[in-house]
Amino acid sequence: KQEVTQIPAALSVPEGENLVLNCSFTDSAIYNLQWFRQDPGKGLTSLLLIQSSQREQTSGRLNASLDKSSGRSTLYIAASQPGDSATYLCAVDNAGKSTFGDGTTLTVKP
Amino acid sequence: GAVVSQHPSRVICKSGTSVKIECRSLDFQATTMFWYRQFPKQSLMLMATSNEGSKATYEQGVEKDKFLINHASLTLSTLTVTSAHPEDSSFYICSARDWSGREADTQYFGPGTRLTVL
Repeated sequence: KQEVTQIPAALSVPEGENLVLNCSFTDSAIYNLQWFRQDPGKGLTSLLLIQSSQREQTSGRLNASLDKSSGRSTLYIAASQPGDSATYLCAVDNAGKSTFGDGTTLTVKP
Repeated sequence: GAVVSQHPSRVICKSGTSVKIECRSLDFQATTMFWYRQFPKQSLMLMATSNEGSKATYEQGVEKDKFLINHASLTLSTLTVTSAHPEDSSFYICSARDWSGREADTQYFGPGTRLTVL
């Protein structure tokens, strides 16, 4: 059974800092891994999707890496802004369904 | 990218009533759709896998008579919460798998439906 762990559970940083969110998973036979953002009371916003054959994906200030063999992914956020405050979820897709981590709640202070 | 819609986005109902939530893939055919549930301040948990034209497969601990799933077409799956009670209040999210090959084996998620049972 796939297990997904996200560290840290919560993170508070001053505006402008670069930061890294971590996601680890136990079963490396994955189709892909997605990073999502969720604002309070809202649905999921897909940020980055990394296919199993890829090592990283970039979108603007976001960069996600994937190391399948070690069961790890990181989401790097550059030059953080208060608007980045949200919960970030990683989801690992294998065997036809996704398993989500518990998320990292990020607060960026002005 | 592919789009998945859900309707309604928010519903409030009285205890004992049934509520139907629709999940549609708008620009692709989805032989497989998934239903997830999210309790406050928790992550998403898979409830069931819905396959077009066949019975849904429920995860352990999910009552299939309570959460009725129908996947009658390649673009529509419905989740009916029967005889809803306050403990069923939650955020329900569906996803659909696009097998068309544009991005192999990718799930696309709907925006979610917030159910509040009074």
